[in-house]
Amino acid sequence: DAGVTQSPTHLIKTRGQHVTLRCSPISGHKSVSWYQQVLGQGPQFIFQYYEKEERGRGNFPDRFSARQFPNYSSELNVNALLLGDSALYLCASIRSWQNYGYTFGSGTRLTVV
Amino acid sequence: KNQVEQSPQSLIILEGKNCTLQCNYTVSPFSNLRWYKQDTGRGPVSLTIMTFSENTKSNGRYTATLDADTKQSSLHITASQLSDSASYICVVSGNTDKLIFGTGTRLQVFP
Repeated sequence: DAGVTQSPTHLIKTRGQHVTLRCSPISGHKSVSWYQQVLGQGPQFIFQYYEKEERGRGNFPDRFSARQFPNYSSELNVNALLLGDSALYLCASIRSWQNYGYTFGSGTRLTVV
Repeated sequence: KNQVEQSPQSLIILEGKNCTLQCNYTVSPFSNLRWYKQDTGRGPVSLTIMTFSENTKSNGRYTATLDADTKQSSLHITASQLSDSASYICVVSGNTDKLIFGTGTRLQVFP
């Protein structure tokens, strides 16, 4: 949907490298969530941030970390990349705290070789 | 366990025909249910969102229904078009911080 900006669009990394993915939410939205979608599967929840604080974490290893900046943009960092980290990484911008009005970005396609 | 199951896994229809996709969930407590359309390699785009008190919601040729008693939802697509070819994902939200996604129905519309 228009308004949620993710960068880069595509990325190729080698095993063991580190990657940083970025997300800018819709203006006025103070919360973002990150999801991993492996090809052929539904998105899996990674993190949610609200007002720069972590409010939820999915079942992902400590290699995954994230943060939210004062302007509400967010970064997802993945260390020591594995082949299995290849996926579409989605950022969702959230209008209100009650899980209402999620808007997804177009995602970042990460390929680990 | 909170789960969202969708059927069928995949569906092929001819252009102009109607189809119905199903979603069953076991999420409790329940807050809202959404249907998203996702083109390959792209982010999901919201079609409809329904809360507990709503039992039908339309968005153009898309009509979603919700039966909160049986915990079932359906998405009906009328007069399908080639551009309807995509994955359709049912997403349920409880009162926690994460959405619970179904694995989707892959719809292919052929001329």
